[in-house]
Amino acid sequence: GAVVSQHPSWVICKSGTSVKIECRSLDFQATTMFWYRQFPKQSLMLMATSNEGSKATYEQGVEKDKFLINHASLTLSTLTVTSAHPEDSSFYICSASGGWDTEGLEQYFGPGTRLTVT
Amino acid sequence: GQNIDQPTEMTATEGAIVQINCTYQTSGFNGLFWYQQHAGEAPTFLSYNVLDGLEEKGRFSSFLSRSKGYSYLLLKELQMKDSASYLCAVRAGRGSGYALNFGKGTSLLVTP
Repeated sequence: GAVVSQHPSWVICKSGTSVKIECRSLDFQATTMFWYRQFPKQSLMLMATSNEGSKATYEQGVEKDKFLINHASLTLSTLTVTSAHPEDSSFYICSASGGWDTEGLEQYFGPGTRLTVT
Repeated sequence: GQNIDQPTEMTATEGAIVQINCTYQTSGFNGLFWYQQHAGEAPTFLSYNVLDGLEEKGRFSSFLSRSKGYSYLLLKELQMKDSASYLCAVRAGRGSGYALNFGKGTSLLVTP
């Protein structure tokens, strides 16, 4: 159990276009979803935290108007990179927490989406 | 603020034991996690400590000392497939949505 999927697994887009990445919890209801970004040979950097039905909380330095996050249901969150530029090329990973695991509140990670902006 | 430190790289021999250390200074603490990440893949959960002491899970063990802001991951009977990046992450409190703050990761190379 506790499977999280992401779509697409990789995407190439042209500079100036927008890209939407989906994150789904397949077998549990995710009260909280997290979006991370990882540049080559770097660690995961938290971009934002989203709770179902409310606005996402963005980390310092992350532009909320550029990285639009929607968490409309307990099983789906989307990240839209608007007006993408080559410096946005990165590995985007989501994670989901059901909040029902009282011991660990464990986060389950999706497989990641590799974004390349040309 | 968050400050999580771990060595950048380590090398160990197949069959040996390796200890990866992690020190942290964070504004909130609600548990410490260790993840394994192979290149191009998402992290996979290894262990979790919220109280001081040692947690053992098969070949992997993790230790936590909250007063010292210190944890280590111990890998026994190393296998070639253990070559990966190992990430130490501290979970923030409820006010921060229980978000995970990751260290930069330790790249472990297991040699024959």
